[in-house]
Amino acid sequence: GIQVEQSPPDLILQEGANSTLRCNFSDSVNNLQWFHQNPWGQLINLFYIPSGTKQNGRLSATTVATERYSLLYISSSQTTDSGVYFCAVDPSEKTGANNLFFGTGTRLTVIP
Amino acid sequence: DAGVIQSPRHEVTEMGQEVTLRCKPISGHNSLFWYRQTMMRGLELLIYFNNNVPIDDSGMPEDRFSAKMPNASFSTLKIQPSEPRDSAVYFCASSFYETQYFGPGTRLLVL
Repeated sequence: GIQVEQSPPDLILQEGANSTLRCNFSDSVNNLQWFHQNPWGQLINLFYIPSGTKQNGRLSATTVATERYSLLYISSSQTTDSGVYFCAVDPSEKTGANNLFFGTGTRLTVIP
Repeated sequence: DAGVIQSPRHEVTEMGQEVTLRCKPISGHNSLFWYRQTMMRGLELLIYFNNNVPIDDSGMPEDRFSAKMPNASFSTLKIQPSEPRDSAVYFCASSFYETQYFGPGTRLLVL
């Protein structure tokens, strides 16, 4: 099956710092999503981004599908950004398919 | 919008008992997913439905697990009989197109 690797596995930041999280995947994908799991366990969808670049406030994401990687940028980090960030992909060739395979995540801790 | 609703939020049971987890997807969504999260295996897709029809159940670990979606607003995941290795957080998610929205999860502990 498809391999989804995320780096770094753990990241500690001072509040206000910027960071880049990376997701590498082993096969072509039609669907790529980034999620944030907060310390209470809730999973929040951040981006649907199979290709290109999107921005939402302090967060932005870029996926280079031809090179099989995606990046999540967090700027001016806040303590509420703490949690685990997951990349999830669907390798299906069917348009609209939604069978997501999750990476192992990056655990981010933002300290005040 | 209430989001995806799951019940119960916590379940503690003894080995051999039947466990039923429930999910109400977001109104208007046509796809529903059941995931399991453990420390050892991370987040795994168990089964997903499209328009109430099971599309892919290849992630269901074994015959002890079954899932149903009798209508567009309700789904169940049943484990019978339960075993200690089934202890995990079970998430339900729904979507209309590609973006998936997750419920709060059910934390299951099988003693």
